[in-house]
Amino acid sequence: DIQMTQSPSSLSASVGDRVTITCRAGQSIGTYLNWYQQKPGKAPKLLIVAASSLQSGVPSRFSGSGSGTDFTLTISSLQPEDFATYSCQQSYITPPTFGGGTKVEIK
Amino acid sequence: EVQLVESGGGLEQPGGSLRLSCAASGFTFSSYEMNWVRQAPGKGLEWVSYISSSGRYIYYADSVKGRFTISRDNAKNSLYLQMNSLRAEDTAVYYCARDLTRVEHPGYFDYWGQGTLVTVSS
Repeated sequence: DIQMTQSPSSLSASVGDRVTITCRAGQSIGTYLNWYQQKPGKAPKLLIVAASSLQSGVPSRFSGSGSGTDFTLTISSLQPEDFATYSCQQSYITPPTFGGGTKVEIK
Repeated sequence: EVQLVESGGGLEQPGGSLRLSCAASGFTFSSYEMNWVRQAPGKGLEWVSYISSSGRYIYYADSVKGRFTISRDNAKNSLYLQMNSLRAEDTAVYYCARDLTRVEHPGYFDYWGQGTLVTVSS
């Protein structure tokens, strides 16, 4: 199985801050990398697919980049509704695997 | 509006069985591949199983292989997960999730249900 490692596991930030979350794959996965947002008690929401393609309806302040083993999710200007846990997921090979998540908290 | 509604969770003893259901609406269910994904309390997401649109292709996580069975009834717009020989480590919220990729293996998941909690404890 491909191990997905996210960093940091949590961060504190203020509204308006630029936030970057990193996801590293245990082997090269091309751009088969997806990002989800999850709020407490809710189901995950798909944000970005194929490393950088924003899902319909997702605000443009979210962006993704990377290929191979190293990927980033960036929130350009953090909004109150963005406080949540973010998880990466590889879809390069079965089984699909998720990172452990990054919890974005209010500073 | 796409909706996925899970049911069937609850408290079960180790070694017991449960059958989860996921009722789909708002899209052509028979055209989409589907998955079960679980999340243990306070933990990250773990993919459990996948089934292709026709049911021809099925995959399982090693942690559930031989104990869980995924199935679907396209006439009833429903997805199922039969869970046997349950263990404490199967305790989690179980989500059904629609697969957007249509590549006959698990891809990424664009719609999720609200989840159903399975607790395995004596």
